[in-house]
Amino acid sequence: AQSVTQPDIHITVSEGASLELRCNYSYGATPYLFWYVQSPGQGLQLLLKYFSGDTLVQGIKGFEAEFKRSQSSFNLRKPSVHWSDAAEYFCAVVVKRNTPLVFGKGTRLSVIA
Amino acid sequence: DAGVIQSPRHEVTEMGQEVTLRCKPISGHNSLFWYRQTMMRGLELLIYFNNNVPIDDSGMPEDRFSAKMPNASFSTLKIQPSEPRDSAVYFCASSTRLALLTDTQYFGPGTRLTVL
Repeated sequence: AQSVTQPDIHITVSEGASLELRCNYSYGATPYLFWYVQSPGQGLQLLLKYFSGDTLVQGIKGFEAEFKRSQSSFNLRKPSVHWSDAAEYFCAVVVKRNTPLVFGKGTRLSVIA
Repeated sequence: DAGVIQSPRHEVTEMGQEVTLRCKPISGHNSLFWYRQTMMRGLELLIYFNNNVPIDDSGMPEDRFSAKMPNASFSTLKIQPSEPRDSAVYFCASSTRLALLTDTQYFGPGTRLTVL
């Protein structure tokens, strides 16, 4: 079945350390790719999205993501994590332009001092 | 703009009662989405509207669930009768254009529903 997979349910990193959150999809064609963040008690906020072109996408809050077609991946990265980055992160795809977002199960990020 | 507004933020009810969740999309947005979030199933799309018309309700779990959008600035999600397994956080989101579903969706803060 077509799906979006976030292999890591929970990740803990130290403040100031680098971060990479993994996302894989199993669609045949290149989908439209998104990363959303959900802070505790809040709705989801778009961090970045990829449609085409440069495979390295810059987003808000210092995040970036790289699309790798050969690996069917769209991993989210940040060079230096801040305590305020503690949240749930969701990868999502749109397979075709007339179909809705499909979300991964999310990765919860904890940041320790 | 105030963003997507949802009410109530928290709802606790007893099994068998009717529950109505409300959403006000961002002004000027033509598309509206209802999602449900649970630990077990993650974030699921229930139904979405374009220009107040339901486009796809295949995600609605049962006939106990219904959604309406009587005008461009208001939508409701109703559960009747409610069951404990309906306990979840329900999100409403809106975007500018359905024709391009890649448009950014703006989410409300959610309604946390607990059915006892």
